Parts: sequence; C-alpha cells; structure tokens
Amino acid sequence: AQRVTQPEKLLSVFKGAPVELKCNYSYSGSPELFWYVQYSRQRLQLLLRHISRESIKGFTADLNKGETSFHLKKPFAQEEDSAMYYCAPEMGSSNTGKLIFGQGTTLQVKP
Amino acid sequence: AAGVIQSPRHLIKEKRETATLKCYPIPRHDTVYWYQQGPGQDPQFLISFYEKMQSDKGSIPDRFSAQQFSDYHSELNMSSLELGDSALYFCASSSTGWSNTGELFFGEGSRLTVL
Repeated sequence: AQRVTQPEKLLSVFKGAPVELKCNYSYSGSPELFWYVQYSRQRLQLLLRHISRESIKGFTADLNKGETSFHLKKPFAQEEDSAMYYCAPEMGSSNTGKLIFGQGTTLQVKP
Repeated sequence: AAGVIQSPRHLIKEKRETATLKCYPIPRHDTVYWYQQGPGQDPQFLISFYEKMQSDKGSIPDRFSAQQFSDYHSELNMSSLELGDSALYFCASSSTGWSNTGELFFGEGSRLTVL
C-alpha cells in the first residue's frame, strides 16, 4: 500500500538551530515528491517540489531512493518557519495532483 | 491575486441530511481536486476533474458525488450524512498548461460538522 510516514508529530527547536523534518514513503515506482506547508490561519501551499531542486525560504529536501526518504532540512530555523509541514508524494503519473499526504509535522521555532 | 474560493466556510448538518460544497478555482485553471481531512487526520484525496470530466477517483464514498461545471467551478454533493463525514474539505486547482509545475493551489477549506 502507498504510505507516507512523518514520524514526528511535533518538532520544537530554538531559533537558529538546524531543522530536519523526516519523511519516508512506500510507493511502487518513482513518485514526484512535494512538501506543502500551512502557516497559522493560512491555506495549504506548496513549499518545494523535488524535481525543481530549488531552495525555498532556505529549505531543501533530498530524495534518497534507497531509503525512500525525502527529508526537509533548513540549517538555521527562523520563528516565521513555525507551521505545519506535510510531505506529499504524488500518486500515478506526473502531475495528476493525487497527493498522498503524511500525517504532518508541526514545527515550532522558539525565540 | 485571486485564489481558490470555497463556500460555505462552515456548515452544520444533521445525520442523514444532504450537503453541497462549492469550489471556484483560480481563473484559467482547468483541474479541480477535492480532499477530505478528518479531525487529527491527514488530507485524503477524494476526486478530481479535468475539463469538466472526472479524471481520478480516490476514497470517495458512494454517498458522495461531484461534478465540474462549464465555468470550471466544482460542487461536492454529500447525501445521507454520517457523523464520520465531519471534516475539513479542501478544494485545490491547477493548470495543465505548458507552464504547469504540478503545484496545487488550495482553498481555505469548508468545515462540515454533522450532528
């Protein structure tokens, strides 16, 4: 079965500390992988997509096909990074929009 | 910039009643997706439409139906409501044009409470 696991429900760090939000997936084939973020009182929005290989707001995500992981990292967390983060592989062929969401990790960055 | 608009934002219904949720995609977006997020759950894909035709189906109950209209807005109809249908229903839209990045643009969600 296709599954996404984000093992940490809550990750609390101090400002300036490194952050790693873990994501493991089980899926046959090579899914496109996304991280979506939801800031307080805002709508769910795309943070980054694996294929673009961009760094957005200082975040990067490395795909490890051997470990089927797509962990999200940032070297120095900022208070404005506090939000709910969802790892979301895409089911089926590219650009279907059928995302499998993980359980989400709440990142809390303390001053 | 215009975003995905969902209405109503909140809806309270009794068991066995019917509810309809509406979604207005971003202008020039041709694809609409519906997701359901139960309390403490992750969002689950329900169904999607491309150019007014159903393009994909996920874990949508038979009691639910949806369609996309000629103006590209979509409606999710839910009948014989059950307590377990209480959830936040997200709509998202995307464009399949040449500049498509695969990004989904989400609405703020419609919260359905079934009593």
